[in-house]
Amino acid sequence: GENVEQHPSTLSVQEGDSAVIKCTYSDSASNYFPWYKQELGKGPQLIIDIRSNVGEKKDQRIAVTLNKTAKHFSLHITETQPEDSAVYFCAASPGGSYIPTFGRGTSLIVHP
Amino acid sequence: EAQVTQNPRYLITVTGKKLTVTCSQNMNHEYMSWYRQDPGLGLRQIYYSMNVEVTDKGDVPEGYKVSRKEKRNFPLILESPSPNQTSLYFCASSSRKGNEKLFFGSGTQLSVL
Repeated sequence: GENVEQHPSTLSVQEGDSAVIKCTYSDSASNYFPWYKQELGKGPQLIIDIRSNVGEKKDQRIAVTLNKTAKHFSLHITETQPEDSAVYFCAASPGGSYIPTFGRGTSLIVHP
Repeated sequence: EAQVTQNPRYLITVTGKKLTVTCSQNMNHEYMSWYRQDPGLGLRQIYYSMNVEVTDKGDVPEGYKVSRKEKRNFPLILESPSPNQTSLYFCASSSRKGNEKLFFGSGTQLSVL
């Protein structure tokens, strides 16, 4: 089955800095890569996703890049703000399976 | 408002006392799933359901049961809870007709003493 590794487990940055979270996956059949943000006391929420026919996708301050050859994808957050502090999960799934495999999560702390 | 509703939010119980965590979604989603979240282990899938009367084991199904008698409901049953089932549980749903975005409930924090 799919195995998703996520690094780092904890990331501490100053407000205004950029943050990068990296994930690798093992199953070459995976072609859907979502990122979820979990705020304290809440369930995860989808913030951005990318499919394997696209190399990069941006939505305001967040972007995701995908390297299918190397089987890795990354989340980039620019101009971080305290409200970006949360746990972020990457995931990978074969398209149409609806059964994503999640990474272990990254706790992002943005210091004011 | 589109949502996944889990109850209860918090539950403290004792070993061996059967319990049910309810999950309901109002988005007519076909796919529903249960996850447990433990520190350092991320989200691990317990069971999932592709549609009514169709359920399958996820990565950590031991000690759990589920049923999908109606499209909107997907209860998680612990017949004889043990302390190693102390965890934060999430229900999620997704439509099979659109993208694969998962909608999560707010979570149930379970403590088994």
